[in-house]
Amino acid sequence: DAMVIQNPRYQVTQFGKPVTLSCSQTLNHNVMYWYQQKSSQAPKLLFHYYDKDFNNEADTPDNFQSRRPNTSFCFLDIRSPGLGDAAMYLCATSRDWVEETQYFGPGTRLLVL
Amino acid sequence: AQSVTQLGSHVSVSEGALVLLRCNYSSSVPPYLFWYVQYPNQGLQLLLKYTTGATLVKGINGFEAEFKKSETSFHLTKPSAHMSDAAEYFCAVRVHTGRRALTFGSGTRLQVQP
Repeated sequence: DAMVIQNPRYQVTQFGKPVTLSCSQTLNHNVMYWYQQKSSQAPKLLFHYYDKDFNNEADTPDNFQSRRPNTSFCFLDIRSPGLGDAAMYLCATSRDWVEETQYFGPGTRLLVL
Repeated sequence: AQSVTQLGSHVSVSEGALVLLRCNYSSSVPPYLFWYVQYPNQGLQLLLKYTTGATLVKGINGFEAEFKKSETSFHLTKPSAHMSDAAEYFCAVRVHTGRRALTFGSGTRLQVQP
């Protein structure tokens, strides 16, 4: 039944050690999004893909990268995590730009030691 | 550019009481408006949305919201709070053209007292 799946749910990494978060979807949606949500704050969009077209938000640090090898999967790579990158990372999908509803995964909580 | 303001970062109500969570938006073009709910350590779940048409929108779990263009508001209500409604609620706005990403408000944490 799960539509947007994120793995792992909890990730612990060390300062400066690259980490990859995974998102997959069974909805066959064209658009996939990555949001960063820090404690007690609103989700903040990092970037999104429309199919294979990558769209980076202007204020997303270069430390954050993303890959979308196929329709179903999207990855968030943090090249050198800092303490300030500890957050919940949310993946979302939408069918396209006309379909407004975004469907969110359960999130991955990242802890940086 | 669009923005969202949620008045009150914390709201506490008694079980059975009216729930009112406030959301005001700013947008230079007609917006799409959303309310999402987030339970602890969970993703966001759509409660309801307004795109066009009827300004009173009904959502899941007995929630509804009314789009008031003159007041640039989209307040969320529920006649009778249930303990299971305790969660974080986010209002979000998206416009039809240009930057189509959601812009979220800062969230309102709803507590329901027995």
